[in-house]
Amino acid sequence: AQTVTQSQPEMSVQEAETVTLSCTYDTSESDYYLFWYKQPPSRQMILVIRQEAYKQQNATENRFSVNFQKAAKSFSLKISDSQLGDAAMYFCAYRSYSGNTPLVFGKGTRLSVIA
Amino acid sequence: DAGITQSPRHKVTETGTPVTLRCHQTENHRYMYWYRQDPGHGLRLIHYSYGVKDTDKGEVSDGYSVSRSKTEDFLLTLESATSSQTSVYFCAIRARIQETQYFGPGTRLLVL
Repeated sequence: AQTVTQSQPEMSVQEAETVTLSCTYDTSESDYYLFWYKQPPSRQMILVIRQEAYKQQNATENRFSVNFQKAAKSFSLKISDSQLGDAAMYFCAYRSYSGNTPLVFGKGTRLSVIA
Repeated sequence: DAGITQSPRHKVTETGTPVTLRCHQTENHRYMYWYRQDPGHGLRLIHYSYGVKDTDKGEVSDGYSVSRSKTEDFLLTLESATSSQTSVYFCAIRARIQETQYFGPGTRLLVL
């Protein structure tokens, strides 16, 4: 079974600085999706960014980008120019390419942004 | 928000009582999921559905049952609620575009 590991339970960053959140996963599959979700205090789960394993180019969404290292099974999230509104729990998730398989989540990293 | 609603949003109940949570979607998505979220565990899959009357168990299905009699509704039932089922419950759908899961707003359940 696939597993997702987020080794940093908590992190903090100064406003306007850059922070990187780590995620590693274990799989024997070659085709899959990877995601980062943000959960602010409102508890709403918000999709931040998505990566398909067959794409070598790292995904970016405005201030959010990923460093996808397929061989190392690593999928880190970089947040540039951090803002107070970025404070949240961040979850890394994996999903197989095939069939009915649901998302497998890491346990999350709580990010604090310091003004 | 992918047109997902959950009801109720908050519920307090007593041990031993049955509880049903409803997830409703408006965009005809095939796949629907129920997760629970607890501190230190992230989100764990309870059950999921890949079509009307087609469901399967997830990681933490004991004590829960589901039903999907029409595409837009996915019901989660706790047959006899226990204190260990106090949690926040999220419903999700898988969108056909980009195969991405989107989540409902969550239901906070307290079992006394």
